Amino acid sequence: DTAVSQTPKYLVTQMGNDKSIKCEQNLGHDTMYWYKQDSKKFLKIMFSYNNKELIINETVPNRFSPKSPDKAHLNLHINSLELGDSAVYFCASSGDGNSPLHFGNGTRLTVT
Amino acid sequence: AQSVTQPDIHITVSEGASLELRCNYSYGATPYLFWYVQSPGQGLQLLLKYFSGDTLVQGIKGFEAEFKRSQSSFNLRKPSVHWSDAAEYFCAVGARGGADGLTFGKGTHLIIQP
Repeated sequence: DTAVSQTPKYLVTQMGNDKSIKCEQNLGHDTMYWYKQDSKKFLKIMFSYNNKELIINETVPNRFSPKSPDKAHLNLHINSLELGDSAVYFCASSGDGNSPLHFGNGTRLTVT
Repeated sequence: AQSVTQPDIHITVSEGASLELRCNYSYGATPYLFWYVQSPGQGLQLLLKYFSGDTLVQGIKGFEAEFKRSQSSFNLRKPSVHWSDAAEYFCAVGARGGADGLTFGKGTHLIIQP
């Protein structure tokens, strides 16, 4: 069974559109994250949620809005997509304070 | 602010040869350190982690890493690489186990020559 799953795996869309990426984890973890990996493979945290509460909100345009309906899900909604949003977005989860992050396989977003 | 430096963007190693990937970190407190591997089109898989205790940690796939506080380093090693080890390797540092988020290095791309 996949521990952290993201859908879709690939997303191609045009500038100005609104899109969502879904993430689910079946590990029973309390904390979930969104990371962005740019074209140079650099990974940077965007958000983290702990038990549906926003914990980390890095400097990210407010066009990006995470939503956590329950602690097993953390979705990422992006409004008015721009070319610079093209990247791979990774969802991750972690358990207690000493457990490492478990990553999903990523969603490759291409904005044309 | 915390940071991670992986000085080598690319490394090429012959199959069967030994490997060392460098990682230096900057962190104000006791760091939690990690190495992750990313195969093409895949997510990140945890190779090993250091929280405390023995400074030489063993991971999966025959990898090990040594924490050296005096050098602020956490280098990854493998005695004999296999073609399947070709991937992107990321070093990361964080508080606790990463529950507060991790800071990643820019990665080292490992190429294996036959």
